[in-house]
Amino acid sequence: DAGITQSPRHKVTETGTPVTLRCHQTENHRYMYWYRQDPGHGLRLIHYSYGVKDTDKGEVSDGYSVSRSKTEDFLLTLESATSSQTSVYFCAITSEGYEQFFGPGTRLTVL
Amino acid sequence: SQKIEQNSEALNIQEGKTATLTCNYTNYSPAYLQWYRQDPGRGPVFLLLIRENEKEKRKERLKVTFDTTLKQSLFHITASQPADSATYLCALGSGGSYIPTFGRGTSLIVHP
Repeated sequence: DAGITQSPRHKVTETGTPVTLRCHQTENHRYMYWYRQDPGHGLRLIHYSYGVKDTDKGEVSDGYSVSRSKTEDFLLTLESATSSQTSVYFCAITSEGYEQFFGPGTRLTVL
Repeated sequence: SQKIEQNSEALNIQEGKTATLTCNYTNYSPAYLQWYRQDPGRGPVFLLLIRENEKEKRKERLKVTFDTTLKQSLFHITASQPADSATYLCALGSGGSYIPTFGRGTSLIVHP
C-alpha cells in the first residue's frame, strides 16, 4: 500500500457542472499523475506534477486542469463536465525507481 | 508516433500451465519496461521493471524478457493459478523519464 487515497470514489454529476477530484499521498513523493481509463483506450495520462506548483499536460488534457499547492495533494478539476469525461480516474505516484503506485480510482459519471 | 501493442484478445489457459503475454512496441527506444497487474475495479499494481541492458528478470513465478532488437517484451507466469486471472499492462519509459506510456493490456484467464 503506497498510501494513496482518492476522493470521492464515485460521483454522478450533470453536464456543465464543475467537478474536482482529489488525490492524497502520504509518501512525500515528488511525481503525481492523473490518468483516465476507458474501454478500448487503456490508461491515458491527463496531467502530471513534478513538484509543488509544477504541473504539465499529458496526452488527453483538454477540458481538465490541475493544481498542486502541497506535496501530498493533487487536484483534478473538470471546469464544465461533459459526457465524454465519464470514465474511471486514477491517481498515481512514482517512486525513485520509476515504478508507479496507483490509487483505488474514482468512477465519474456525467449525465 | 510511439505505439505499444498488447494482444486485445483474452488469453485462456489451464491451471498449472505457463502463461505468456506479449508487449510489442514501435517508434520507441525505451530505457525501461514495466509490467503491471490490474484486477476489475482496482488500480494497476506494479509487478516488475526491466531495463534496456537487461535481458531477463525473475520474481517468484514471474519472468520478464526484454529484446530491444525485436522491440518486444515477454511476460511469463509459470505454474499459473486461477488467482492469476487479471489484466496485465506493460508500460515503457525513456531514460530519465518518469512519464511511462501504457499499453492497453491483455486479459489472462486461468481455468481450474
